[in-house]
Amino acid sequence: GAGVSQTPSNKVTEKGKYVELRCDPISGHTALYWYRQSLGQGPEFLIYFQGTGAADDSGLPNDRFFAVRPEGSVSTLKIQRTERGDSAVYLCASSSPGAGTSGGTDTQYFGPGTRLTVL
Amino acid sequence: AQTVTQSQPEMSVQEAETVTLSCTYDTSESNYYLFWYKQPPSRQMILVIRQEAYKQQNATENRFSVNFQKAAKSFSLKISDSQLGDTAMYFCAFSMNYGGSQGNLIFGKGTKLSVKP
Repeated sequence: GAGVSQTPSNKVTEKGKYVELRCDPISGHTALYWYRQSLGQGPEFLIYFQGTGAADDSGLPNDRFFAVRPEGSVSTLKIQRTERGDSAVYLCASSSPGAGTSGGTDTQYFGPGTRLTVL
Repeated sequence: AQTVTQSQPEMSVQEAETVTLSCTYDTSESNYYLFWYKQPPSRQMILVIRQEAYKQQNATENRFSVNFQKAAKSFSLKISDSQLGDTAMYFCAFSMNYGGSQGNLIFGKGTKLSVKP
């Protein structure tokens, strides 16, 4: 079946502009994660959705960042008043959590990411 | 807070040889998962191998195996019979274990592995 998809693949914007990044998870996956990967670093957690609700948004760096998942499937990461420091690859992952098992069914599957460049 | 440290920014290995990538982590928790992810130039993170902290037996997946030392908080990845397609960034990652479900992943900075013909 189809994997996690993210659009756009690349986004170039000017400082101060608003951007939206989209993530289409694997069909049926209830958990969705956003990560940010700066150059030369490992991904850093931003926000986690279980269904439609943000179960953990502790990784969002400030109130310019916001994410939604209104129907429990597609998610959009929104960044207001972009800054040059926001330039990074934004990764999305989805999983189907399995409670109380060791079968590894809740593996996080990643999309190819959106490379955001703020000029 | 949990941290993951990868002390080898870059490594290289000859095709068909064996290479070991190092990872240490810090946590006060006892129930967690550890992972190795591979990230080729396409940017897509691919799970290589996963270890549950409560399991003493080291995980293996074909040519990939880990050496999990819980007391030392060490989690190294061994790649046997290296292939050109193994060339990629490798990230060690940690997540909490919530009754069998993962939490968010905490990644190290990565090791760039080059397999030479």
